[in-house]
Amino acid sequence: AQSVTQLGSHVSVSEGALVLLRCNYSSSVPPYLFWYVQYPNQGLQLLLKYTTGATLVKGINGFEAEFKKSETSFHLTKPSAHMSDAAEYFCAVLIQGAQKLVFGQGTRLTINP
Amino acid sequence: EAQVTQNPRYLITVTGKKLTVTCSQNMNHEYMSWYRQDPGLGLRQIYYSMNVEVTDKGDVPEGYKVSRKEKRNFPLILESPSPNQTSLYFCASSRQGYGYTFGSGTRLTVV
Repeated sequence: AQSVTQLGSHVSVSEGALVLLRCNYSSSVPPYLFWYVQYPNQGLQLLLKYTTGATLVKGINGFEAEFKKSETSFHLTKPSAHMSDAAEYFCAVLIQGAQKLVFGQGTRLTINP
Repeated sequence: EAQVTQNPRYLITVTGKKLTVTCSQNMNHEYMSWYRQDPGLGLRQIYYSMNVEVTDKGDVPEGYKVSRKEKRNFPLILESPSPNQTSLYFCASSRQGYGYTFGSGTRLTVV
C-alpha cells in the first residue's frame, strides 16, 4: 500500500533560517508526490508536485522539494523562512488508479521572530 | 477563477437532522472527492467520484452519502448526523494524474 510519513509533527525555525520538512513515502510503483500548505481557517493549497522528470521541483512561495528514489524521500525546503510561512504542511502520495491522495499526518511550522 | 466552492462554511446542527454540504467545481474535472480532517487523524477520504454517476467509498464512508448527477457538483449528505461526525470537511477536484484542488472547507458541529 502507498503511504507517506512526515517526520516531526511540529517544526520551529527562526525567521531567515532554512526550512526543512521531512517526508518519506512507500510505494510499489513510481510515485506521484505532492506538498500542500494549510493556513489557519483555510483549505489546502498546492505548493508543488512531482510526477515524472526533473527530481528537483520548484513550487510557490520559494519552496522546493527533491525526489530521492534511493532514500524514498521528498523533503520540502525553503532557504529563508518568512513569518508568513507559518502554517501546516502536508505531504501526500497519489494512488493513481483511484486518483486518491493519501496524506501524511502533517507538520506544523512555526516561525520565530 | 478556477475554484472549488463549498457551502456552507460553518454549520451547527442537532443529532439526526439531515443535512447536505454542497460542492461545485468550475474546472471540468472528472474526479471529485470528499475528505474529513480531524486532530490527530489527519485527512481521510470519505467518498470519491471518477465521473458522472460513478462514485465509490473511501476510507471512512459510514454515515455519509454522495451523488454525482452533474460533472460540476458533488454534494455530501449526512442522513442522520451524529456527534462523531463533527469535523472539518473538504471537497476537492482533479484531473487524472494531477493533484487535487481543494475547497475552503466546511466546519460541521453536531450537538
